[in-house]
Amino acid sequence: KAGVTQTPRYLIKTRGQQVTLSCSPISGHRSVSWYQQTPGQGLQFLFEYFSETQRNKGNFPGRFSGRQFSNSRSEMNVSTLELGDSALYLCASSMGTGQGANEAFFGQGTRLTVV
Amino acid sequence: AQRVTQPEKLLSVFKGAPVELKCNYSYSGSPELFWYVQYSRQRLQLLLRHISRESIKGFTADLNKGETSFHLKKPFAQEEDSAMYYCALSGLGAGSYQLTFGKGTKLSVIP
Repeated sequence: KAGVTQTPRYLIKTRGQQVTLSCSPISGHRSVSWYQQTPGQGLQFLFEYFSETQRNKGNFPGRFSGRQFSNSRSEMNVSTLELGDSALYLCASSMGTGQGANEAFFGQGTRLTVV
Repeated sequence: AQRVTQPEKLLSVFKGAPVELKCNYSYSGSPELFWYVQYSRQRLQLLLRHISRESIKGFTADLNKGETSFHLKKPFAQEEDSAMYYCALSGLGAGSYQLTFGKGTKLSVIP
């Protein structure tokens, strides 16, 4: 079956702009999580959505937001971009419930560069 | 607060030598532990989860609750094991739907 797909793969934005990243989970997975990966901080949890509801949120400012659609696809939005937002943004999908609830499958990521 | 510590940034071993990648965690409840691996130019992928108690590609990991550790071991390293390895933790049960990752250990297997 198809894996987790993230679009676009690369983005270059200017400070102050906003950006939207997209994630299509594995078919049948109802949970989508987002992570930020940087050389200094490593992988940090942003938020998790299940059946269109945010269940968990990490310690990021309100400029970072997300949503999930009825087909489980998810988008992440970052407003008023700062240089420090430059990172690899990873999306992961999982069943979200039952025995495999936390068994996450990752996309290839979107590389965001803020200039 | 939950925390995962991987004390080694880089681990170099010779082909055929045993490998142990260390992982220690801090969590107040019942944890679920994972090892993820990222090969060059590939996506992050699940290697092991402690609940399944499997051996994948010759790797094993045992959860030691007394020492709060989940070290990854392989008796004989292969060149294809060279990759970045991440230990991750999640809480078991409702309300624990996030992974906390360690900073990762880069394993380099010398031919």
